[in-house]
Amino acid sequence: DAMVIQNPRYQVTQFGKPVTLSCSQTLNHNVMYWYQQKSSQAPKLLFHYYDKDFNNEADTPDNFQSRRPNTSFCFLDIRSPGLGDAAMYLCATSSDPGLAVQETQYFGPGTRLLVL
Amino acid sequence: GDSVTQMEGPVTLSEEAFLTINCTYTATGYPSLFWYVQYPGEGLQLLLKATKADDKGSNKGFEATYRKETTSFHLEKGSVQVSDSAVYFCALKRGSTLGRLYFGRGTQLTVWP
Repeated sequence: DAMVIQNPRYQVTQFGKPVTLSCSQTLNHNVMYWYQQKSSQAPKLLFHYYDKDFNNEADTPDNFQSRRPNTSFCFLDIRSPGLGDAAMYLCATSSDPGLAVQETQYFGPGTRLLVL
Repeated sequence: GDSVTQMEGPVTLSEEAFLTINCTYTATGYPSLFWYVQYPGEGLQLLLKATKADDKGSNKGFEATYRKETTSFHLEKGSVQVSDSAVYFCALKRGSTLGRLYFGRGTQLTVWP
């Protein structure tokens, strides 16, 4: 089945130690998104890639970076995690956000990050 | 700016009870509206959507009608099951915002047998 895969499902890191979260997709979608979801809060968009074009949300901290080496993979790098970065990180894809307002986003299962 | 407001949870129901989860939105133009569901330990799954006023989205016995006059998209199900226990998110999207989804905070539903 075509899907969005996130690894690992759970990640523990130390305060200030860089960490990378991975997302892959078999849907061949042009767009990949990263959301941060803190406990009992709505998912918050951090950034997205439209093909190779990177689009950062204005309020995303510089501590968060992303890489998309090819269509299938996208990485979220947290350069110096703080305690406040503990959250669920959700990856999503869509085929093309600009063509249709009704375009659906497909989500992965998420990676839960714990910062000690 | 664009935003979505959902009723606070948690919602606890007995099996076969009627479910309503309220959702209202603020947006310019004509957004599309979505309900996503998140089962324990899983990612968000699209439950249903509506793309214009008076459209009704439906799936798995759930329904929601896009009401522009009241800026609402309430989720309903006539008879819930234990397997419906999950967190439900209302969301909107405008075509001019590169697919950005604006989510509500989510409503936890627990159904007891």
